[in-house]
Amino acid sequence: EAGVVQSPRYKIIEKKQPVAFWCNPISGHNTLYWYLQNLGQGPELLIRYENEEAVDDSQLPKDRFSAERLKGVDSTLKIQPAELGDSAVYLCASSLSGSEYNEQFFGPGTRLTVL
Amino acid sequence: GNSVTQMEGPVTLSEEAFLTINCTYTATGYPSLFWYVQYPGEGLQLLLKATKADDKGSNKGFEATYRKETTSFHLEKGSVQVSDSAVYFCALSGGAGSYQLTFGKGTKLSVIP
Repeated sequence: EAGVVQSPRYKIIEKKQPVAFWCNPISGHNTLYWYLQNLGQGPELLIRYENEEAVDDSQLPKDRFSAERLKGVDSTLKIQPAELGDSAVYLCASSLSGSEYNEQFFGPGTRLTVL
Repeated sequence: GNSVTQMEGPVTLSEEAFLTINCTYTATGYPSLFWYVQYPGEGLQLLLKATKADDKGSNKGFEATYRKETTSFHLEKGSVQVSDSAVYFCALSGGAGSYQLTFGKGTKLSVIP
C-alpha cells in the first residue's frame, strides 16, 4: 500500500515568490493534515480537513497561506508571497478519521528554503 | 493549552546500551500519548501509543507507560542498535475534545557501534 505522497521534496525560491506543495493521502483516508516543522522543533498543525471541508484552520496564517482539498482527496498548500521565515519542512499526514485514536500517517515532507 | 516537554538531545549511546528519553505533558482531560520516530530522509512513523492511564505501549523493543500521576510517558529500550539512530518525538492528542497532535521538540539519538 502506498504511503502519503508529497511533492516536491525540496523547493528553493526567492522571497516574495509564490510556492505550492502537493499531497496525496493514503487511499480511503478521510482526514488530511498539513503541519509545519521548523528546524529543531516538532511539527505544528496548520490545517485539518475532513473530506473536502477544512474543520480546523485556526493556526493557518490566512494572510499569505491558503489550502484546498478538492474532491476530498489530494490537497494543495500555497504560500503567496513567501517570506524568509517560511523556510521549514511542510508535512502532510492522513488518517482514516479525525478521531484521536486513529493513527496519523506522515509523508516525507517538502523542505522549503526561501532566499 | 496542551504541551509536551521532552529531554533535549542529541543523545549518543553505544550499541546495546539502555535508552531512556523523558517526556512529560500538560493537557486538559485525558489525552492519548504517542511516540513517533523519524529516520533520516523519511517521514514520521508511529512507534507506539497509549490511550489511557497505566497503559503500556510497546513496539520493536521500545516501551513507554502512561503515568497520569506524574504526567509522563518516558520512552525506554533495553538494548539499542545502530539502526535505532533517529529523531524521536513525544506527542499527545485528545483531551477536551481536541484531535490535534501536539509534539515535543524531538530528541536526536545516535547509536555508535
